[in-house]
Amino acid sequence: SQTIHQWPATLVQPVGSPLSLECTVEGTSNPNLYWYRQAAGRGLQLLFYSVGIGQISSEVPQNLSASRPQDRQFILSSKKLLLSDSGFYLCAWSTGTGGYGYTFGSGTRLTVV
Amino acid sequence: GQQLNQSPQSMFIQEGEDVSMNCTSSSIFNTWLWYKQDPGKGPVLLIALYKAGELTSNGRLTAQFGITRKDSFLNISASIPSDVGIYFCAGPSGGYQKVTFGIGTKLQVIP
Repeated sequence: SQTIHQWPATLVQPVGSPLSLECTVEGTSNPNLYWYRQAAGRGLQLLFYSVGIGQISSEVPQNLSASRPQDRQFILSSKKLLLSDSGFYLCAWSTGTGGYGYTFGSGTRLTVV
Repeated sequence: GQQLNQSPQSMFIQEGEDVSMNCTSSSIFNTWLWYKQDPGKGPVLLIALYKAGELTSNGRLTAQFGITRKDSFLNISASIPSDVGIYFCAGPSGGYQKVTFGIGTKLQVIP
């Protein structure tokens, strides 16, 4: 069966520090991968998506970047965190072959102080 | 881009009551999705709808794809405490299976 792992679960980082969040998927090949951010426990905003290794598309201009070094690995990064980067970050995957049902990871709660 | 409006944005109900919430779109959708997010967790897909007028159930949950293709409804019957969470509607948003989510309906159940 397919599983998705996200870590860490929580993170407190000072302003100006770097960030690296990791997401891995097991049990499937060539998934579409997505990073979402959820602010104040409400709406989900798509940040990045990837349809293959090294292929990254950004949905909104921001202080973050994403990379996909391996088929089932998706990384969210920042060189210097801002207070506004605080939020709940969710990774998701879909099959890429039809249907729109995502499977989400358990999320990372990031607090920038 | 497409916008999804969910209402109500929050609701308190007594255990055992039925719940209704809806989602409207500024444009036509060919797929509607409903997700539930438990506190501190990632959203989980509840129901997917693919055809105008379609009515689909998942246990005590029933969702409908509106005839106009610009709206969808989710009903929960006989609510229980574990129904607490945020319910999101979602629909396709461009290629690569991208999905736009509504702002969510936060449901709280009073025992």
